[in-house]
Amino acid sequence: DADVTQTPRNRITKTGKRIMLECSQTKGHDRMYWYRQDPGLGLRLIYYSFDVKDINKGEISDGYSVSRQAQAKFSLSLESAIPNQTALYFCATSDSADRALYGYTFGSGTRLTVV
Amino acid sequence: ILNVEQSPQSLHVQEGDSTNFTCSFPSSNFYALHWYRWETAKSPEALFVMTLNGDEKKKGRISATLNTKEGYSYLYIKGSQPEDSATYLCAEHWMDSSYKLIFGSGTRLLVRP
Repeated sequence: DADVTQTPRNRITKTGKRIMLECSQTKGHDRMYWYRQDPGLGLRLIYYSFDVKDINKGEISDGYSVSRQAQAKFSLSLESAIPNQTALYFCATSDSADRALYGYTFGSGTRLTVV
Repeated sequence: ILNVEQSPQSLHVQEGDSTNFTCSFPSSNFYALHWYRWETAKSPEALFVMTLNGDEKKKGRISATLNTKEGYSYLYIKGSQPEDSATYLCAEHWMDSSYKLIFGSGTRLLVRP
């Protein structure tokens, strides 16, 4: 099994629908992140969480919300999907500050298309 | 430099060629520099994390150097192979309360047999 699992892998949804992307990890890491990737752009941070009670907005949080249900689970919701939210979404995890020097562990991504 | 920038955007080389690409980053809030290798339809995988000016790290045919004073890092691939074809991402880890990782847009490498 993968260390970081994202579901679904692919999703097509209609404008205005609510959709949830899920992420679970077996790394035992404290920190979890949601990024989106658009062609020609780098990965951009949507939300991040340093522990279950800590949620922080990233650079592009508008239109998104998150829930950290447990240390191992971090879900991303689009309350009312719009076409410009069509992108590849990655969940990632890392250990606490100093040990983040070992790099992030990424999931396989969720390709979301909003029509 | 306000953003993490990578060049070139894409690169096509022949098998056996050596190649290198650049990551430039703002150095005022520097904590660490990450390199990731991202193959199509897979997860980005960490290659190197570097923190010290002058750091040089190596993994097989791939190596990286770091200059924190001038804000750049080079990734080198010696004797490129088709399996090296991937997008190479660099990211700067900021030294602030967020410890955010800011990514460049990547260099897409295609190695022709």
